[in-house]
Amino acid sequence: RKEVEQDPGPFNVPEGATVAFNCTYSNSASQSFFWYRQDCRKEPKLLMSVYSSGNEDGRFTAQLNRASQYISLLIRDSKLSDSATYLCVVPSGTYKYIFGTGTRLKVLA
Amino acid sequence: NAGVTQTPKFQVLKTGQSMTLQCAQDMNHEYMSWYRQDPGMGLRLIHYSVGAGITDQGEVPNGYNVSRSTTEDFPLRLLSAAPSQTSVYFCASRGYEGPTDTQYFGPGTRLTVL
Repeated sequence: RKEVEQDPGPFNVPEGATVAFNCTYSNSASQSFFWYRQDCRKEPKLLMSVYSSGNEDGRFTAQLNRASQYISLLIRDSKLSDSATYLCVVPSGTYKYIFGTGTRLKVLA
Repeated sequence: NAGVTQTPKFQVLKTGQSMTLQCAQDMNHEYMSWYRQDPGMGLRLIHYSVGAGITDQGEVPNGYNVSRSTTEDFPLRLLSAAPSQTSVYFCASRGYEGPTDTQYFGPGTRLTVL
């Protein structure tokens, strides 16, 4: 099993839709998790962190399921500007981060 | 604050050439790292540093050297470029924004090795 796995997509959704991505991880000792957003040919930027069961920020909700070892990202009322690749990130030890390959989202007008 | 800066933005090398990718941050972060990003592979850690004078290997260190003489700078050296090193390279520094552990990435260097 890969350390971090994501469905590559693309997820094509209409504006206003709700969309959710999952990310599974193999290290059961991980305590914190992150979602980064990456626009085409740009650097990744932190979207949300998840330290306990979940976190909400406006239209974005990140949830953690430790028993099944996955985190999810829910985007409500999708905007065209949400089109991007979403990277799941799981720490490995104190100093290393493991990045998933990313899930591509396209929001269609 | 400029954040994390990288130079050059684009580079084409011939096989066997060497070069240094520059990275600097002005946030006084102790932790810095280098990643490469290839299609379908995600970001992979090359080397990282937890402070001036301290570096360690990541997942894919072969063919790359680093040093950290100051907190601000963390250059990545390609010793003898190979086509397999064609990639996008991101430098990152890590610190806390409020309670949140955050990695800040530079804009990337797009390297092609012919």
